[in-house]
Amino acid sequence: GAVVSQHPSWVICKSGTSVKIECRSLDFQATTMFWYRQFPKQSLMLMATSNEGSKATYEQGVEKDKFLINHASLTLSTLTVTSAHPEDSSFYICSARAAGKGDEQFFGPGTRLTVL
Amino acid sequence: AQSVAQPEDQVNVAEGNPLTVKCTYSVSGNPYLFWYVQYPNRGLQFLLKYITGDNLVKGSYGFEAEFNKSQTSFHLKKPSALVSDSALYFCAVRPISSGSARQLTFGSGTQLTVLP
Repeated sequence: GAVVSQHPSWVICKSGTSVKIECRSLDFQATTMFWYRQFPKQSLMLMATSNEGSKATYEQGVEKDKFLINHASLTLSTLTVTSAHPEDSSFYICSARAAGKGDEQFFGPGTRLTVL
Repeated sequence: AQSVAQPEDQVNVAEGNPLTVKCTYSVSGNPYLFWYVQYPNRGLQFLLKYITGDNLVKGSYGFEAEFNKSQTSFHLKKPSALVSDSALYFCAVRPISSGSARQLTFGSGTQLTVLP
């Protein structure tokens, strides 16, 4: 149990377009989901925390209008990178936490975004 | 604020030899401590965690870690390394508290290379 999926696993887009990444908890209800960004050979940097049905809480320096997060249900959160630019190219990882599962975070496999 | 330090960017060890990946932390109050492993272009896989109790924690794939409160360390160890253990390892901490402070803070990662 406690599987988190992400879709797509990789995406290539043109500069100026928007890209949506989905994060799903497959066998549990995720009361909280987290979005991270990881540059090559670097650590995960928390971008935002989202609770189901409420607005996401963004970390300092993360543009909320650039990175739109929606957590509309207990099993789905989406991250939309709006008007993507090459500097947005990165590996985006989501994680989910559920009450009653030891308060652990379960991580998705990540999405590689490349903006040309 | 909580922080994690992984002082070694790279650790090389010969197959069959014991390995240690170092981690020290700083957190207000008592910590939850975690180790994750990441293979190329993949999300994080949980290895083990310390919450309370025995200072020596055993996890997946033969890994273990020892919580040392006086030294604020949580080093990852394995008695006999395998080539397949080669990957990026992350230490993470979060305080035992409620509210938004329950998010994970990651170290910078240590690239482990096991040489055949």
